[in-house]
Amino acid sequence: QQQVRQSPQSLTVWEGETAILNCSYEDSTFDYFPWYWQFPRESPALLIAIRPVSNKKEDGRFTIFFNKREKKLSLHITDSQPGDSATYFCAASEDYGSSGNKLIFGIGTLLSVKP
Amino acid sequence: GPKVLQIPSHQIIDMGQMVTLNCDPVSNHLYFYWYKQILGQQMEFLVNFYNGKVMEKSKLFKDQFSVERPDGSYFTLKIQPTALEDSAVYFCASSLVGGRSYEQYFGPGTRLTVL
Repeated sequence: QQQVRQSPQSLTVWEGETAILNCSYEDSTFDYFPWYWQFPRESPALLIAIRPVSNKKEDGRFTIFFNKREKKLSLHITDSQPGDSATYFCAASEDYGSSGNKLIFGIGTLLSVKP
Repeated sequence: GPKVLQIPSHQIIDMGQMVTLNCDPVSNHLYFYWYKQILGQQMEFLVNFYNGKVMEKSKLFKDQFSVERPDGSYFTLKIQPTALEDSAVYFCASSLVGGRSYEQYFGPGTRLTVL
């Protein structure tokens, strides 16, 4: 069962364009949505995260838009740079209190930014 | 930033053998996790570990799997005996505390191939 879905699986944009990566989820109890990015041969690293109390989270060129009613979110990368080329994972978790928050990952979007 | 190390980066073994995957988490972190990623699929939660105990495990965490962190050394995932379907990349992660607010730091993964 795919609880977190991502689209597209791959995306190519030109330098300076805005890249839009989509994510949707099924479980209404999810209340934390981090995006991780991973460069080849490196570890996945947290890029930006949002909670449903907000419908937007911005960090520099990276913005998450969140639609709780439709269970959708998207990551917008403005003024894309070749150095942004990576695989982007959308993830979700519930609050398990003291038990540690397991992350449910999407399959990832491979972004390529052409100079 | 803080780094999680994983040893080895690649491991090739014959089906039925035992394998131990090693993780060196961030030094002051208290929660530890293993995730499994089969080629072309999303990363999936296996288990989390806190204070010497498994807190939660998924249905992917078969009876042949075990985890431990003896005396604050490596956090290990042992598979005994291995099966062909265990071939995957295994990611270790750690976080300072549990709950949804705290970032999980990931290692670069160990690629396990079972022949």
